[in-house]
Amino acid sequence: QSALTQPASVSGSPGQSITISCTGTSSDVGGYNYVSWYQQHPGKAPKLLIYDVTNRPSGVSYRVSGSKSGNTASLTISGLQAADEADYYCSSYTTSSTRVFGGGTKLTVL
Amino acid sequence: EVQLVESGGGLVQPGGSLKLSCAASGFTFSGSGMHWVRQASGKGLEWVGRITSKASSYATAYAASVKGRFTISRDDSNNTAYLQMNSLKTEDTAVYYCTTGGYNYGYSFDYWGQGTLLTVSS
Repeated sequence: QSALTQPASVSGSPGQSITISCTGTSSDVGGYNYVSWYQQHPGKAPKLLIYDVTNRPSGVSYRVSGSKSGNTASLTISGLQAADEADYYCSSYTTSSTRVFGGGTKLTVL
Repeated sequence: EVQLVESGGGLVQPGGSLKLSCAASGFTFSGSGMHWVRQASGKGLEWVGRITSKASSYATAYAASVKGRFTISRDDSNNTAYLQMNSLKTEDTAVYYCTTGGYNYGYSFDYWGQGTLLTVSS
């Protein structure tokens, strides 16, 4: 199972919006509505941001949203804040009943 | 409050074995699938494997990179999940996290431990 494809880095200024893509195949992202997104600050454990493509867990900011089209899922963060600077990972359920992560995207807030 | 606490990491020689533990509290452990995810220093997250709940027959699944070498088990009476690692390789060096498998939130890794470091080196 190959890793999902994410851009290595994205950046934006405070108050702007950014979108991170996550591209897989019909065997993972495209085949199921089971994409999730995670935020990880340096030295910390990952934190769930989005589950099942579009859903936010309790306590996650409304500025975070998820979507999917075909084999590509996307995470959008609006109203960028300094605290959003972190690494972001997507993950998907697969046809093998396994899971796969993306390579991760480093978000820089300029 | 959901808590997951990993333990058992350390330094092991190539070819050696080690067993990690994940002690859970604050939720109904027996009702949750459990996963292990690892992260090498400066690298991304890698899914290692999972074990389902008793309701799903304690089914296990593994990443190709560890299949045949790693075994996940659980003890619902002690609210603990385990990762038995055999035939360790230097490339297994990583922080190992245990996570719940969508206990509250769909098909996600919704709660994470703080991780335990495994170093495989001679």
